[in-house]
Amino acid sequence: EAGVAQSPRYKIIEKRQSVAFWCNPISGHATLYWYQQILGQGPKLLIQFQNNGVVDDSQLPKDRFSAERLKGVDSTLKIQPAKLEDSAVYLCASSLVPDQGQYFGPGTRLTVL
Amino acid sequence: SQQGEEDPQALSIQEGENATMNCSYKTSINNLQWYRQNSGRGLVHLILIRSNEREKHSGRLRVTLDTSKKSSSLLITASRAADTASYFCATMNTGFQKLVFGTGTRLLVSP
Repeated sequence: EAGVAQSPRYKIIEKRQSVAFWCNPISGHATLYWYQQILGQGPKLLIQFQNNGVVDDSQLPKDRFSAERLKGVDSTLKIQPAKLEDSAVYLCASSLVPDQGQYFGPGTRLTVL
Repeated sequence: SQQGEEDPQALSIQEGENATMNCSYKTSINNLQWYRQNSGRGLVHLILIRSNEREKHSGRLRVTLDTSKKSSSLLITASRAADTASYFCATMNTGFQKLVFGTGTRLLVSP
């Protein structure tokens, strides 16, 4: 089966610019996650969708980050405006149901200058 | 916030040796999962153990869970150079459906 797809793989922007990431989960997976992984740390959950609805966004900096999952399939994560501390790898993952293992995409490495 | 703490932070062994990594956590859990991350294959789910299970095997992997001590261990037997990666434990708390990752153990397996 095809894995989780993400694009772009790399992005370099200047602070205060905006950026968007795209994710296509494994077909049939109702749960979709966005994580932020800073170098040397474990992934941190930003937002979790169950179909179209948001299950958890408690660690999403809502003043600058937004995410949507249209039609319960693809998802986009946006940062506007970006700050230096947003430099990280942004990982998308999906699972059939929330309490099973998650399948991760290759990630987008964001560098904010 | 990070829930699990892996120990050791880094581990260096020779091929053929066994590698043991430990994870401690703070709150009651629904399940605990182990993931591997390397530059070639990204973050990959290895094994999931539920709170009512004590031990689980998958190939060369053996995971134990002690809920009374709030700890888990991952044993990789007969390590190979390809096992070189960072290993993360992740916990799913009781009543929540959110996975919280630890800080990871960096494993280096030398030929």
